[in-house]
Amino acid sequence: QVQLQESGPGLVKPSETLSLTCTVSGGSISSYYWSWIRQPAGKGLEWIGRIYTSGSTNYNPSLKSRVTMSVDTSKNQFSLKLSSVTAADTAVYYCARDRGLRFMTDWGQGTLVTVSS
Amino acid sequence: QSVLTQPPSVSGAPGQRVTISCTGSSSNIGAGYDVHWYQQLPGTAPKLLIYGNSNRPSGVPDRFSGSKSGTSASLAITGLQAEDEADYYCQSYDSSLSVLVFGGGTKLTVL
Repeated sequence: QVQLQESGPGLVKPSETLSLTCTVSGGSISSYYWSWIRQPAGKGLEWIGRIYTSGSTNYNPSLKSRVTMSVDTSKNQFSLKLSSVTAADTAVYYCARDRGLRFMTDWGQGTLVTVSS
Repeated sequence: QSVLTQPPSVSGAPGQRVTISCTGSSSNIGAGYDVHWYQQLPGTAPKLLIYGNSNRPSGVPDRFSGSKSGTSASLAITGLQAEDEADYYCQSYDSSLSVLVFGGGTKLTVL
């Protein structure tokens, strides 16, 4: 069973860039889509976007201008960068696997990112 | 305001049956896109519960079932157990927004 683990700073200053990495273990990262989803405290889930192992991306239009995703198949990792963050970006960020059918089969445990000075 | 609408909460006694609705529109569920359901236990990540409207991943009890009709979908849970107390989210694809969309979530309380 594939396992996903998010990592990155838990605190980011306003206007700076949030950077997270998801490490995939127990299977190859190749030939799958990999998504990022976030969840503000006490609120629902928001899909941020996804990347295929070829590097092609789909982003949520509401965040597209600030989002960059990348993949490193040699390290079995993929990453998220969200620029110009504000307090509204404070959330638990999840990485997940999408087998190309537009739903998430496997999820990381999530990592809390707080935007504050 | 979520693109997919779910009731904020439902409740039921142990052993009972509950249903959770998920209402969309002609650009998502009504356009034929599949609906998927996730269970989120307190303090944990979401877990895939139903995919492709009515399919259960391996390991999910057959007490959980899904259906879809028109612009809506439903999750049914029979033989309610205390361990089913969680938040449940529906999810689909919206072609006008070009995004994966979630419902706002439904909190299930087992009385």
